[in-house]
Amino acid sequence: SQTIHQWPATLVQPVGSPLSLECTVEGTSNPNLYWYRQAAGRGLQLLFYSVGIGQISSEVPQNLSASRPQDRQFILSSKKLLLSDSGFYLCAWSTSGANEQYFGPGTRLTVT
Amino acid sequence: QKEVEQDPGPLSVPEGAIVSLNCTYSNSAFQYFMWYRQYSRKGPELLMYTYSSGNKEDGRFTAQVDKSSKYISLFIRDSQPSDSATYLCAMHVGSWGKLQFGAGTQVVVTP
Repeated sequence: SQTIHQWPATLVQPVGSPLSLECTVEGTSNPNLYWYRQAAGRGLQLLFYSVGIGQISSEVPQNLSASRPQDRQFILSSKKLLLSDSGFYLCAWSTSGANEQYFGPGTRLTVT
Repeated sequence: QKEVEQDPGPLSVPEGAIVSLNCTYSNSAFQYFMWYRQYSRKGPELLMYTYSSGNKEDGRFTAQVDKSSKYISLFIRDSQPSDSATYLCAMHVGSWGKLQFGAGTQVVVTP
């Protein structure tokens, strides 16, 4: 069966510090991968998606970036965090060509 | 106007009651409809996935899609305190593109 991991689970970072969140998927090959942000009491905002290694599409221009160095690894990064970057970050995967997405446990980021 | 509208609640029901949740949408091109359950501080979990109009049942859960009214529903029968969570609807046009999510409805089932 497929499993998706995210780490760290929680993170507290000062404004201006760098960020690296990691997501890995097990049990499937060539998945589509997604990064979402969920602000308190709000819906999910798609940040990035990837259909293959090195292929990243950005939905929302901002100070975040994403990379996919391996087939089942997706990384969300920032060089300098802003207060507005606080939120719950979710990684998801889907089978290529399928619509259902499966989410990881999330990373709660607080920027102070 | 948002593409997907969902009442944020909270919706409070006694244990054993039927929970009725719904979403409305504006894009008639949506063909695939999903319901996710999200417990506090956890990632969303896919509950139901339907295509086109009609009903789909899975245990205590029933999903309905009315494309003519641009309206989808999720019913939870014999609700349990463990059903207390936020329920998110999501929909897709069927070709490559992003899921459109509702903001989620918080459900509280009281013993």
